[in-house]
Amino acid sequence: GNSVTQMEGPVTLSEEAFLTINCTYTATGYPSLFWYVQYPGEGLQLLLKATKADDKGSNKGFEATYRKETTSFHLEKGSVQVSDSAVYFCALSDRTQGGSEKLVFGKGTKLTVNP
Amino acid sequence: EAQVTQNPRYLITVTGKKLTVTCSQNMNHEYMSWYRQDPGLGLRQIYYSMNVEVTDKGDVPEGYKVSRKEKRNFPLILESPSPNQTSLYFCASSDRGRKNIQYFGAGTRLSVL
Repeated sequence: GNSVTQMEGPVTLSEEAFLTINCTYTATGYPSLFWYVQYPGEGLQLLLKATKADDKGSNKGFEATYRKETTSFHLEKGSVQVSDSAVYFCALSDRTQGGSEKLVFGKGTKLTVNP
Repeated sequence: EAQVTQNPRYLITVTGKKLTVTCSQNMNHEYMSWYRQDPGLGLRQIYYSMNVEVTDKGDVPEGYKVSRKEKRNFPLILESPSPNQTSLYFCASSDRGRKNIQYFGAGTRLSVL
C-alpha cells in the first residue's frame, strides 16, 4: 500500500527562523497529498493540500509543492512564530480494501518555536 | 459551530471492563472514522463508516467494535479492553465528496490498567 515518510523530530527553532519539514511518499498512481497540524490538546486539522503534480498548497504562510519526480511534499515556512508550535503530519490518500478512500499519515514531526 | 465532539476526553479503566467512547458530528457528514495515535507510530485507522449501517475495518480493528445507527453518531466500543489499547483516540468526519478533508475531534486519552 501507499506510505509516507517524514523527518523525525523534534524540531526546535527560534522565532522568525526558516522551517522545512521533509516528507516523501511511496504510492501507486497519483494520490492527493496533505499536511495536517495538531496543536497541543487538540485534534488534527487540515493545513494545506495538493491534488496533482506541481500543485502548490499554501495556508497561514506555510507552503508545500507536490513533486512527482522526487515523490516529495516538503512543508516550508519562511518565518515561524511561537504559535506555530505543534505536531505536523504529512498524509496521502489511499484506497481501503473495501474500495473507499482513506488517509495514510506519517508519524508526525513535533515543532517547538522559542521566543 | 461545525464540530466533532468526543466523550469522554480522558478515561482510566481496568482490563476487561467494557467501555464506549462516543463521537458526534453536526456537519451532516456521511463519512466517519476512528484512529488511534501512538508515539512513533502516528495515526492508524481503526474503523470507518461510509454511511448509516455501513462500516468497515481499517488497519488495526482487532479488539474494537463500532456501530452507525444514526448519521451523526459513530461510537467506538471496547468490549474487553487490554493494556495495549492504552492510546489517544480520534474520531473524524468528512463529506462524501471530500473524504480526505477530515474534521477531527479533540481526542480521548484512554489508559487501561
